Amino acid sequence: GESVGLHLPTLSVQEGDNSIINCAYSNSASDYFIWYKQESGKGPQFIIDIRSNMDKRQGQRVTVLLNKTVKHLSLQIAATQPGDSAVYFCAENGGDYKLSFGAGTTVTVRA
Amino acid sequence: EAGVAQSPRYKIIEKRQSVAFWCNPISGHATLYWYQQILGQGPKLLIQFQNNGVVDDSQLPKDRFSAERLKGVDSTLKIQPAKLEDSAVYLCASTPGSYNSPLHFGNGTRLTVT
Repeated sequence: GESVGLHLPTLSVQEGDNSIINCAYSNSASDYFIWYKQESGKGPQFIIDIRSNMDKRQGQRVTVLLNKTVKHLSLQIAATQPGDSAVYFCAENGGDYKLSFGAGTTVTVRA
Repeated sequence: EAGVAQSPRYKIIEKRQSVAFWCNPISGHATLYWYQQILGQGPKLLIQFQNNGVVDDSQLPKDRFSAERLKGVDSTLKIQPAKLEDSAVYLCASTPGSYNSPLHFGNGTRLTVT
């Protein structure tokens, strides 16, 4: 079946370095994508979104890239900070107001 | 604005008992969702409401799970009887209802079934 997935379950990054989290999706009908951050004991928190008519979108210290040709989504975090340690999920909307989530990538920031 | 409120935060029950979770969405949000998140996995949609009507409950185990959203505001999710595999975090989310708007999540209820 169609699903959203992340390439790596864990990512360890040095504080101050840039982080790149990858996500592959298989539903070619998906037209909206979101990255969420989830800290322990909390619900997913919205980071940034992108529509399928865009290739790139920037926020504060974060950039999302969308490659529709290979059905790939990435989240780049600039100058990673200890507060960025969390589980990151990509989610897609296949056109029916419902979001499907991947399994998540756990990011650990080393001091 | 106030976020999505959920209660209780934690619940421990024995298998075959019943349990209910409550959700108060962000004011004015027409669409409400219940997700189940098993440890180490991404959230999985259980049911979606638009105002007080069910839009999609195809993933809801209807033999034991039920949900309602009376008056199109608060919602309750019930499990009866609970099984060990129901141990998870139950997340409520809401959105204004406009297409392609992000979901706003509550902090969830962590259920442990022993």
